[in-house]
Amino acid sequence: KNEVEQSPQNLTAQEGEFITINCSYSVGISALHWLQQHPGGGIVSLFMLSSGKKKHGRLIATINIQEKHSSLHITASHPRDSAVYICAVRSDSNYQLIWGAGTKLIIKP
Amino acid sequence: SQTIHQWPATLVQPVGSPLSLECTVEGTSNPNLYWYRQAAGRGLQLLFYSVGIGQISSEVPQNLSASRPQDRQFILSSKKLLLSDSGFYLCAWSFKSSYNSPLHFGNGTRLTVT
Repeated sequence: KNEVEQSPQNLTAQEGEFITINCSYSVGISALHWLQQHPGGGIVSLFMLSSGKKKHGRLIATINIQEKHSSLHITASHPRDSAVYICAVRSDSNYQLIWGAGTKLIIKP
Repeated sequence: SQTIHQWPATLVQPVGSPLSLECTVEGTSNPNLYWYRQAAGRGLQLLFYSVGIGQISSEVPQNLSASRPQDRQFILSSKKLLLSDSGFYLCAWSFKSSYNSPLHFGNGTRLTVT
């Protein structure tokens, strides 16, 4: 079992829908990162969380440390949100980043 | 502001040929530098990281090597490519100030070994 699991692996939705991508982890962490990888391959950091909730535009990230779970939400989704969303956690024992396999999101117009 | 440049964007090389991928960072000094490989449908795999000039840590034994000849230059190399070296290679940097400093990625190099 991977230490960082993302669900779903693939998600297709219609423009305007509310999107939720989940990340569960099994190790102690000091922080959790959400990143976005565009179809061309470039990766952009979206959020870094250690507790609570962060919001940036239409993106919201939450984390529940007790449940070892984080969610990334996209409100009023748009085709330009189509990308792979990656969760990564920083281990609090060896400080290494552990990566999820990503969630491929397609938003249809 | 800081920028990271990685080239080439795509590369097709025959088995047994050498490899050199270059990454440079501008707008900051003494960053941590990283080389990652991404296989299709899998998470990023850390190959090498560097905390300073000439200081390279290898995470996975393999056919590749890395060098940091200058503060903001990170090079991924191979003397003889294998078919299994095909993949998407990403360079990244982070500030040294905190373990939780976000990573900033280059646009990646898609390597196909034929």
